[in-house]
Amino acid sequence: GNSVTQMEGPVTLSEEAFLTINCTYTATGYPSLFWYVQYPGEGLQLLLKATKADDKGSNKGFEATYRKETTSFHLEKGSVQVSDSAVYFCALASNFGNEKLTFGTGTRLTIIP
Amino acid sequence: NAGVMQNPRHLVRRRGQEARLRCSPMKGHSHVYWYRQLPEEGLKFMVYLQKENIIDESGMPKERFSAEFPKEGPSILRIQQVVRGDSAAYFCASSPSRGDGYTFGSGTRLTVV
Repeated sequence: GNSVTQMEGPVTLSEEAFLTINCTYTATGYPSLFWYVQYPGEGLQLLLKATKADDKGSNKGFEATYRKETTSFHLEKGSVQVSDSAVYFCALASNFGNEKLTFGTGTRLTIIP
Repeated sequence: NAGVMQNPRHLVRRRGQEARLRCSPMKGHSHVYWYRQLPEEGLKFMVYLQKENIIDESGMPKERFSAEFPKEGPSILRIQQVVRGDSAAYFCASSPSRGDGYTFGSGTRLTVV
């Protein structure tokens, strides 16, 4: 079955540091890949997505590239801000007409000034 | 245009009681999904519904849990005879059509005492 493994947290960085949160997946076929962000007390928000190999999703300075050869979708940002503090979830959806999302366990990110 | 509305935000129930969680999808969205997030875990798919139909309930526990999405009114996730292991955050998401992106609600945090 489908599964997502993401970097254990929590992760604490200083403002303006470079961020990488690792995500690898196991799936049959050609899944779509997503990063969601959850701010304290709120629901999940879609941060970015990629639907096929070598696609790069980007939003708000965050980027992730769909790497089929390494089954990875690592999240990166060149210079983090305090406002980026949140929990980040990697997820995939099968492309067999199945709308279920399979999530990783989440990575809590804290940025200190 | 209000987002996905879930209520209550927090719900406390004693063991053996019933819990009812409500989800009003975004205007124009006829597809609803329920996910459960256990402490320190990622979100797990429970059920996918369209108006008056259950499309996929493969993630629902076989007993005590049920879901509906009537023609009028919100979607309801019902848990009968709650146990401590049901304590979790329950998230609802909606989409305008099959395979489109989700919008998540802020969740209902159920605590069973």
